[in-house]
Amino acid sequence: GDSVTQMEGPVTLSEEAFLTINCTYTATGYPSLFWYVQYPGEGLQLLLKATKADDKGSNKGFEATYRKETTSFHLEKGSVQVSDSAVYFCALGFGNEKLTFGTGTRLTIIP
Amino acid sequence: SAVISQKPSRDICQRGTSLTIQCQVDSQVTMMFWYRQQPGQSLTLIATANQGSEATYESGFVIDKFPISRPNLTFSTLTVSNMSPEDSSIYLCSVEWDSSYNEQFFGPGTRLTVL
Repeated sequence: GDSVTQMEGPVTLSEEAFLTINCTYTATGYPSLFWYVQYPGEGLQLLLKATKADDKGSNKGFEATYRKETTSFHLEKGSVQVSDSAVYFCALGFGNEKLTFGTGTRLTIIP
Repeated sequence: SAVISQKPSRDICQRGTSLTIQCQVDSQVTMMFWYRQQPGQSLTLIATANQGSEATYESGFVIDKFPISRPNLTFSTLTVSNMSPEDSSIYLCSVEWDSSYNEQFFGPGTRLTVL
């Protein structure tokens, strides 16, 4: 079945550091790919998405590129802030079907 | 995007009781989903709820334990029946906003603790 593998956390970085959270997937066909973020005490929010190969999703300084050849969708940000501290989930989905989530990566940014 | 609210936001319940969680959306949507997020874990789909038809449950989840209603295009309920401490989780509803890509928006969640 479909699956998503995420870089294990927790990840701790200093403010203004470069961030990469790895995500790879296994799926039959070509799913849409998503990054969701869960801030402390809040629900899940869609951060960015990509719907086909070589698409780049971006939002709030975060970026991720849909790489079909490596079945990856790594999340990157050039300079993280304390407010980026949250749990990040990579997910895949096909139209009209459930989302399959990775295990989540907890990110802590220290000033 | 859709604005989704859930009630209650949190609850503490006794073993053997039941709790009904409500999910309200500010626009009409065809597909709604219920997920469970156990402590420190990722999200697991419980069931898909389409208006006018019975909910479709994922493997490991049954209607007797998690009955779902979907009376219209903006509302759904999930009941957690005969609760045990293992049911302590965050329960989230989501709606499918863009069916082409399965883009989903999530409610804020209901944090349930069973004693």
